[in-house]
Amino acid sequence: GAGVSQSPSNKVTEKGKDVELRCDPISGHTALYWYRQSLGQGLEFLIYFQGNSAPDKSGLPSDRFSAERTGGSVSTLTIQRTQQEDSAVYLCASSRTNQPQHFGDGTRLSIL
Amino acid sequence: GEDVEQSLFLSVREGDSSVINCTYTDSSSTYLYWYKQEPGAGLQLLTYIFSNMDMKQDQRLTVLLNKKDKHLSLRIADTQTGDSAIYFCAESKAGYQKVTFGTGTKLQVIP
Repeated sequence: GAGVSQSPSNKVTEKGKDVELRCDPISGHTALYWYRQSLGQGLEFLIYFQGNSAPDKSGLPSDRFSAERTGGSVSTLTIQRTQQEDSAVYLCASSRTNQPQHFGDGTRLSIL
Repeated sequence: GEDVEQSLFLSVREGDSSVINCTYTDSSSTYLYWYKQEPGAGLQLLTYIFSNMDMKQDQRLTVLLNKKDKHLSLRIADTQTGDSAIYFCAESKAGYQKVTFGTGTKLQVIP
């Protein structure tokens, strides 16, 4: 079946602009995660959605970052007033409850 | 808090065995994972092990868990150039889906 789909695969934007990154999880997966991976670094947890529960936003680095998950499926990560340090690969993953996460190929974000 | 540590780099010759090591701090970790990341791609789940197991084998991959020392290893037999990638160790607890990842080990396979 289809895996986790992220769009766009690449995004180049100017400093100060807002960006929206999209994630389509695997059908039936109740959990959805966003991570950030800076060049040569590991994964930095950003936010976690589980069903209808309140999301765990403990990893969001600043109030410029927000995420929504509509209808328990598609999620959008929004970064407002982008800064150069926001340049990274943003990875989305989904899973069934207590099952391993499956990752998308990520969105490579470059802030000029 | 949870912490997962890995060495940053490993170089092996094609045909040799690779052993990638990982240590974690949270003794209540229940699931331990190995993911592979190839350039420009997301993370691919290779294998995972429950904390009540000592070993899991899957074709060329062998996972060993020493729960007392909180040490996890991934052995790749007959390493191929296609195994060149970054390998991430990760852990989570039952009932809570938040996964903590290590910084990744870059495996270079020399032909």
